[in-house]
Amino acid sequence: ELKVEQNPLFLSMQEGKNYTIYCNYSTTSDRLYWYRQDPGKSLESLFVLLSNGAVKQEGRLMASLDTKARLSTLHITAAVHDLSATYFCAGGTSYGKLTFGQGTILTVHP
Amino acid sequence: DVKVTQSSRYLVKRTGEKVFLECVQDMDHENMFWYRQDPGLGLRLIYFSYDVKMKEKGDIPEGYSVSREKKERFSLILESASTNQTSMYLCASSRPPQETQYFGPGTRLLVL
Repeated sequence: ELKVEQNPLFLSMQEGKNYTIYCNYSTTSDRLYWYRQDPGKSLESLFVLLSNGAVKQEGRLMASLDTKARLSTLHITAAVHDLSATYFCAGGTSYGKLTFGQGTILTVHP
Repeated sequence: DVKVTQSSRYLVKRTGEKVFLECVQDMDHENMFWYRQDPGLGLRLIYFSYDVKMKEKGDIPEGYSVSREKKERFSLILESASTNQTSMYLCASSRPPQETQYFGPGTRLLVL
């Protein structure tokens, strides 16, 4: 059974700083997803990582996947207030099911 | 653009009532999912369906059932609502085998 753990669960960042959210998963997963959720809203897909060493970037966010370490990271560069949200990673299993981490609540302040 | 819609954004029900949550997707996706989201617990899968009239239990199916009579529609049923089913319910759909899941806006259910 796939288990997904994120850390930290809460992250308070200053604008302009860099930080990384970590996502560890317990068993083999053939794909890893990152989602963003704004308060009161639904989940929005950010990245899909399909193979070892995959790296994807969109704006100030960069996601990577290391299948040997069973680790994905979401790196935030020069944070801005608009990035404040909850970020989830999720591992893919059979039938297209996803197992989600607990979520990381990110707050970016001046 | 993929669109997943849910019948209600907010719902208030009484303990013991039968509750229906509807989800409709317009992208001809085979897979559909129901999750509940609770603070600190992330999203937990209740049921999913990979074809019409097919359903599989997720991680927390107790107290819930589902129905998928048409490809675009997936319903979640709370047979007898209880207060511990107060939660945010999210529906999602995807196309196999590795497609991203697209989520609906969610239904916030309060059971009194």
